Amino acid sequence: DQQVKQNSPSLSVQEGRISILNCDYTNSMFDYFLWYKKYPAEGPTFLISISSIKDKNEDGRFTVFLNKSAKHLSLHIVPSQPGDSAVYFCAASDIRGAQKLVFGQGTRLTINP
Amino acid sequence: DAMVIQNPRYQVTQFGKPVTLSCSQTLNHNVMYWYQQKSSQAPKLLFHYYDKDFNNEADTPDNFQSRRPNTSFCFLDIRSPGLGDAAMYLCATSPDRGYEQYFGPGTRLTVT
Repeated sequence: DQQVKQNSPSLSVQEGRISILNCDYTNSMFDYFLWYKKYPAEGPTFLISISSIKDKNEDGRFTVFLNKSAKHLSLHIVPSQPGDSAVYFCAASDIRGAQKLVFGQGTRLTINP
Repeated sequence: DAMVIQNPRYQVTQFGKPVTLSCSQTLNHNVMYWYQQKSSQAPKLLFHYYDKDFNNEADTPDNFQSRRPNTSFCFLDIRSPGLGDAAMYLCATSPDRGYEQYFGPGTRLTVT
């Protein structure tokens, strides 16, 4: 049972345009959501998070949107840069319950010049 | 810079030969985690320590053990590695459970 799903294994975007990565979850107890970025042969790097009491959180070029009714979150990167090419994982946790991060399968983002 | 360090970065072991992977942190975080990641898959949590309290995942094989002798260090012991244990092993830390975790660079384990 996959509680966090990233349905797009890969995404290709032109440099300077907006990249939108999507993530869906099934567990209504999740109340904290995160995005990680991973380069080959490195560990995941924390990017941005959002609590379920918010519907948007912004940090520089990165914005995360949360739609609780749809159990959907997205990461927007604008403008996209070549260094953004990586695998992006979304993760979710139930901070008052199991308190573990549940990861999606990842989306490989490629930024084309 | 505060960080999570994993040694070695690459480890080759023989089938059935015990191997230990190490992780250290300078973040002074309470929680340390071990994950297994196989290519193109999500990281899979093996176990975690909340301070000295060990928490095993129900589906983690008995072949995997862990030790945390102090706040800074945590070890992953694989008692009898099989070919299916070849993977990237990631250590992570967090100040508390459920929130952001900070990952080390990982150890790539090869079993021959």
